[in-house]
Amino acid sequence: AQTVTQSQPEMSVQEAETVTLSCTYDTSESDYYLFWYKQPPSRQMILVIRQEAYKQQNATENRFSVNFQKAAKSFSLKISDSQLGDAAMYFCAWRSTGNTGKLIFGQGTTLQVKP
Amino acid sequence: GAVVSQHPSWVICKSGTSVKIECRSLDFQATTMFWYRQFPKQSLMLMATSNEGSKATYEQGVEKDKFLINHASLTLSTLTVTSAHPEDSSFYICSASDRRYYNEQFFGPGTRLTVL
Repeated sequence: AQTVTQSQPEMSVQEAETVTLSCTYDTSESDYYLFWYKQPPSRQMILVIRQEAYKQQNATENRFSVNFQKAAKSFSLKISDSQLGDAAMYFCAWRSTGNTGKLIFGQGTTLQVKP
Repeated sequence: GAVVSQHPSWVICKSGTSVKIECRSLDFQATTMFWYRQFPKQSLMLMATSNEGSKATYEQGVEKDKFLINHASLTLSTLTVTSAHPEDSSFYICSASDRRYYNEQFFGPGTRLTVL
């Protein structure tokens, strides 16, 4: 069975600094998707970034980038130039390329941004 | 982008009553909808997956007689919590996906249920 592990329950970062959130996963499949979702206090789930496993290039979305290490089954999220609005709970998630579309979520990391 | 709505956004009910939560895909047809439950400061727990016109597939440990899911159309799925009890109080989130969007899940804003 697939599992996703986020070993950092809480992280904090100074405004304008850079922070990296860790995520590891376990799967026997060779092709899959990985995601980072943000859940702010409103609790609306927001997709931050998506990585397709067959792509070696790390995904980037503005200030958000990932370090995808397929062999190590690691998928960390780097937030550059942190802003107060980045404060939220962040979830790493895995999904098969199959038709079920089920997401497997990690436990979440609460990010605090200090002014 | 694809928008998913949920109604109501919050509901308070008495123990023993039933509550229905609606999940709608507003600008796309969702072949699959998912229902999650989330406790404070915890991750999302998948309750069930429903495909339009089919019976929902429940995750292990989820009581299908307690959490009734109906996916009657390509834009609407409902979750009914039957004979609600205080331990059913939680935050319920739905998401919708479609093959044309590469099965990407689009999330609703959630419904906070409080059972007194």
